[in-house]
Amino acid sequence: GEDVEQSLFLSVREGDSSVINCTYTDSSSTYLYWYKQEPGAGLQLLTYIFSNMDMKQDQRLTVLLNKKDKHLSLRIADTQTGDSAIYFCAESFGANNLFFGTGTRLTVIP
Amino acid sequence: GAVVSQHPSRVICKSGTSVKIECRSLDFQATTMFWYRQFPKQSLMLMATSNEGSKATYEQGVEKDKFLINHASLTLSTLTVTSAHPEDSSFYICSAIKQGAYGYTFGSGTRLTVV
Repeated sequence: GEDVEQSLFLSVREGDSSVINCTYTDSSSTYLYWYKQEPGAGLQLLTYIFSNMDMKQDQRLTVLLNKKDKHLSLRIADTQTGDSAIYFCAESFGANNLFFGTGTRLTVIP
Repeated sequence: GAVVSQHPSRVICKSGTSVKIECRSLDFQATTMFWYRQFPKQSLMLMATSNEGSKATYEQGVEKDKFLINHASLTLSTLTVTSAHPEDSSFYICSAIKQGAYGYTFGSGTRLTVV
């Protein structure tokens, strides 16, 4: 099956930028996603990118996709304490399946 | 690495029937499993947290009698959609945490269509 990997932990200081990385093995995906999970909550869709795009920016969030290296990243500018959460990358192949990474726990230090 | 198998990947059922979805951890023991539901173009809503050997903890607004969760062993949790209706049509996905670890492992999801 598809293998999606993320680092488990990331700590940043408030006001700095956070970069969460994700690597995957199957490059035939159609969409790639970033989800945010706060304690006790479900997975909130933050943003997604079509597999034929290289970059997408949405306010403080920038998604970069390097198809050659099969690498996806999420940059959060001016990280705030409210950004502390678990971030999941995921990819889909058509309409039926979602493959998730293990999640990265982002801790923002005041 | 940790692998979670979810079965079936797609199911079509008639209105009024029940459907069982399995979430199985293949190479690790999962004391906790989670069930999510996704509506089109929306986030994944946490339905319930399933703990091995005890009753599942349901999120607010999720009907316990309609979505039966059983976590009878450390490697298997099941979600049964009882008396399914067309509005139950959705994408259901499970995840599990390996005992003593931090990372989540997700199944690949089940697309349920009720006709």
